[in-house]
Amino acid sequence: AQSVTQLGSHVSVSEGALVLLRCNYSSSVPPYLFWYVQYPNQGLQLLLKYTTGATLVKGINGFEAEFKKSETSFHLTKPSAHMSDAAEYFCAVSGLDSNYQLIWGAGTKLIIKP
Amino acid sequence: DADVTQTPRNRITKTGKRIMLECSQTKGHDRMYWYRQDPGLGLRLIYYSFDVKDINKGEISDGYSVSRQAQAKFSLSLESAIPNQTALYFCATSDTGLADRLYFGPGTRLTVT
Repeated sequence: AQSVTQLGSHVSVSEGALVLLRCNYSSSVPPYLFWYVQYPNQGLQLLLKYTTGATLVKGINGFEAEFKKSETSFHLTKPSAHMSDAAEYFCAVSGLDSNYQLIWGAGTKLIIKP
Repeated sequence: DADVTQTPRNRITKTGKRIMLECSQTKGHDRMYWYRQDPGLGLRLIYYSFDVKDINKGEISDGYSVSRQAQAKFSLSLESAIPNQTALYFCATSDTGLADRLYFGPGTRLTVT
C-alpha cells in the first residue's frame, strides 16, 4: 500500500533562511504528487502538484518542489522564508496503488523565527 | 463568497448524541469528500461521493454515515457521538480528473464530551 512520510513534525527556520520540507513516498508506479498548505484556522489549499513532465514544479508564494523518482521524494523548498509562511504543510500522493485516492503525510508545521 | 462552506464551524456535543455536519459547494463539482484531521495523523478519508448516486466508504467510516442530497450538498452524520470522534472535520470537492486538486471548506471543529 502507498504511504507518505514527512520528516519532522515541526521545522523551525529564521526569516530569510531557506525552507526545506521533506516528503518521501512509497509507490510501485509513478504517482501524482501534491503539496497543500493549511494556515491557522483555515482549510487546506493547493501549493503545487506534479503530474507529468518537468520534475521541478513551481507553486504559489515562491514555493517549488522537485520530483526525484530514484529517491521517491518530493521535497518542498523556498529560498527565503517569510513570516507569512508559518503554517502546516501536507504532502499527498495518489496513483494506481491507491485507486487514485489521496494518501496524506502527517504534516509538518513550519515555524518562522524573526 | 467561499466555494465550499461548512456548518457549523464549531460544535460541542455530549457522548451518545446524534450530530450532523453539513457541506455545500458552488464549484459545480461532482466529487465530494469528508476528511477527519487529528494532530500528527494528517487527513484521513471518511466517505467520498463521485456523484449523487455514488457513495463510498473511506478508510475510517465506522461510526459515521453520509447523505448526498444534491450535487452541491454532502452531509456527514455521527449517529451516536463518542469522545474519540473529537477532531477537525473537512469537506472537500474536486473535478473528475485523476490529478485534479481538492478544494477544501474551512472545517468544523467538533468536541465530544
